[in-house]
Amino acid sequence: SQQGEEDPQALSIQEGENATMNCSYKTSINNLQWYRQNSGRGLVHLILIRSNEREKHSGRLRVTLDTSKKSSSLLITASRAADTASYFCATAGIGVGNEKLTFGTGTRLTIIP
Amino acid sequence: DAGITQSPRYKITETGRQVTLMCHQTWSHSYMFWYRQDLGHGLRLIYYSAAADITDKGEVPDGYVVSRSKTENFPLTLESATRSQTSVYFCASSGGNQPQHFGDGTRLSIL
Repeated sequence: SQQGEEDPQALSIQEGENATMNCSYKTSINNLQWYRQNSGRGLVHLILIRSNEREKHSGRLRVTLDTSKKSSSLLITASRAADTASYFCATAGIGVGNEKLTFGTGTRLTIIP
Repeated sequence: DAGITQSPRYKITETGRQVTLMCHQTWSHSYMFWYRQDLGHGLRLIYYSAAADITDKGEVPDGYVVSRSKTENFPLTLESATRSQTSVYFCASSGGNQPQHFGDGTRLSIL
């Protein structure tokens, strides 16, 4: 069963606009990670936010985490055509085996030039 | 070059055949993982390994076998392939409490 569920499943925006993707999960976590996948390629790690953090930034990426609502959001500012990809959230559980990640089903982002 | 490589990239086989997917990493990461990616399911963990000779089941292990005799290699074997195992398979590694690094996948078709 999937721990994370991304919303929306697909998103199309104009280049230069901001893109926001949301992730909800079900059980307590150690951390939550976001990954990007370009067509035909493997996943690439973007950012990790720990359960005791509320917000994190990396370049044009901003991630928030609300553990009370069991949700996270990924904001990509000033989008570029190269941001076109699928984005996945993944959660790491607490305790033994927390190296395992449970992935959501992803958001497919299309940036229109 | 350092990294994680999977082979083959593409494989077509028939039901009932045995097929082995290879994964090799050059970082000496302790953890390695096998996932399958199917439309509508995202990535699902098949097996993972915390170190050489230590493996454990993930969410969907049935029909798969793994081994890890060396830290750098983590092969995945389908002992008797079925059509339901048609998928894209990803190998990943991590150094412990670190993000995972993924290979580019093996696209497996079982006819």
